[in-house]
Amino acid sequence: AAGVIQSPRHLIKEKRETATLKCYPIPRHDTVYWYQQGPGQDPQFLISFYEKMQSDKGSIPDRFSAQQFSDYHSELNMSSLELGDSALYFCASSILWSSGGAVATQYFGPGTRLTVL
Amino acid sequence: DAKTTQPPSMDCAEGRAANLPCNHSTISGNEYVYWYRQIHSQGPQYIIHGLKNNETNEMASLIITEDRKSSTLILPHATLRDTAVYYCIVLTDSWGKLQFGAGTQVVVTP
Repeated sequence: AAGVIQSPRHLIKEKRETATLKCYPIPRHDTVYWYQQGPGQDPQFLISFYEKMQSDKGSIPDRFSAQQFSDYHSELNMSSLELGDSALYFCASSILWSSGGAVATQYFGPGTRLTVL
Repeated sequence: DAKTTQPPSMDCAEGRAANLPCNHSTISGNEYVYWYRQIHSQGPQYIIHGLKNNETNEMASLIITEDRKSSTLILPHATLRDTAVYYCIVLTDSWGKLQFGAGTQVVVTP
């Protein structure tokens, strides 16, 4: 079965540079979530989109922005990178209202490992 | 969302059942219990979820107590590939954002 695709898988940037991470959800999934996992930490929710509109927001720095496009793929844009932004970034997708109004199960991609030097 | 409490670690012998407990004493009636696992640095993997009834799928079984204040994830025949961090998450938000707490590091040994 098709899974969530993330690109690139690895990214190395210098401080103060910008980075763009891409996420391609499972076909027919309408909701995308972004999570950040720092070294030795648990994943933390950043932001989510449903039908191209922001649906929820977590601890996402103002330097980060994201959007979901008409084909449902999503991009996380990160500017003025800091050393502390080095982390794994996961994207997940789901079909909202997939279970008669129950919460929708999220399926995760393999992640993008961002290293800021 | 209700807070969950899990033991920080547990060991399991290969081929034996692994029983992973989770306490969620403040769970509300409309909140689901979800289980995910993360094998080292890979994307979290969905295992199973439930509301009130016990659930079983090809990966695991989920036993929820009648008062819903705790649950147990059962891996019936643990293999070395089941070594991972297991997260129990209580979810009510229809938008489904997951709040990962400190899960249980499960190590399956030969």
